[in-house]
Amino acid sequence: GENVEQHPSTLSVQEGDSAVIKCTYSDSASNYFPWYKQELGKGPQLIIDIRSNVGEKKDQRIAVTLNKTAKHFSLHITETQPEDSAVYFCAASIRGRGANNLFFGTGTRLTVIP
Amino acid sequence: DARVTQTPRHKVTEMGQEVTMRCQPILGHNTVFWYRQTMMQGLELLAYFRNRAPLDDSGMPKDRFSAEMPDATLATLKIQPSEPRDSAVYFCASGLVGTSLLDTQYFGPGTRLTVL
Repeated sequence: GENVEQHPSTLSVQEGDSAVIKCTYSDSASNYFPWYKQELGKGPQLIIDIRSNVGEKKDQRIAVTLNKTAKHFSLHITETQPEDSAVYFCAASIRGRGANNLFFGTGTRLTVIP
Repeated sequence: DARVTQTPRHKVTEMGQEVTMRCQPILGHNTVFWYRQTMMQGLELLAYFRNRAPLDDSGMPKDRFSAEMPDATLATLKIQPSEPRDSAVYFCASGLVGTSLLDTQYFGPGTRLTVL
């Protein structure tokens, strides 16, 4: 089955700096890669996703890049703000196999220092 | 603003007791997932349903866990008997498979279970 690895497990940045979280996946058939943000006491919330037919997607201060050859994808947050502090999860999914379940990374705890 | 709801939000019980957690998926979604989250194991998929039929429950301990979807607006996860190692946050997520929203899952707020 699919194996998703996520790094780093913790990340501290100064407010205004950028944060980058990286994930790798093992199954080359994976073609959908969402990112979730989980704040304390809440469920994971989808913040951005990318499908394998594009290499980059951007939404305001967040962007995701995908390298299918290397089987890795990254989340980039620019101009970080204290409210960006949360745990971020990457995930991978394989469409077309009737499963559509997500394989999650182990999470990155991001702390933005004011 | 459509969202997944879960009840109860918190549950404290004693070992051996039955626990039932409930989930109301987003109206119109045809797929429901149950996850368990712990510090040690992260997010684990327990089971999921498509159009109310169980598709995969291989992540669930069969001897004590059961998941059902009695109707399109209610999914339940039951533990009987509960054990301290079941203490975790249980999340329900729903999605709509078969459209451009394929594979996107929307999570509920979770049920924090503590088994003493």
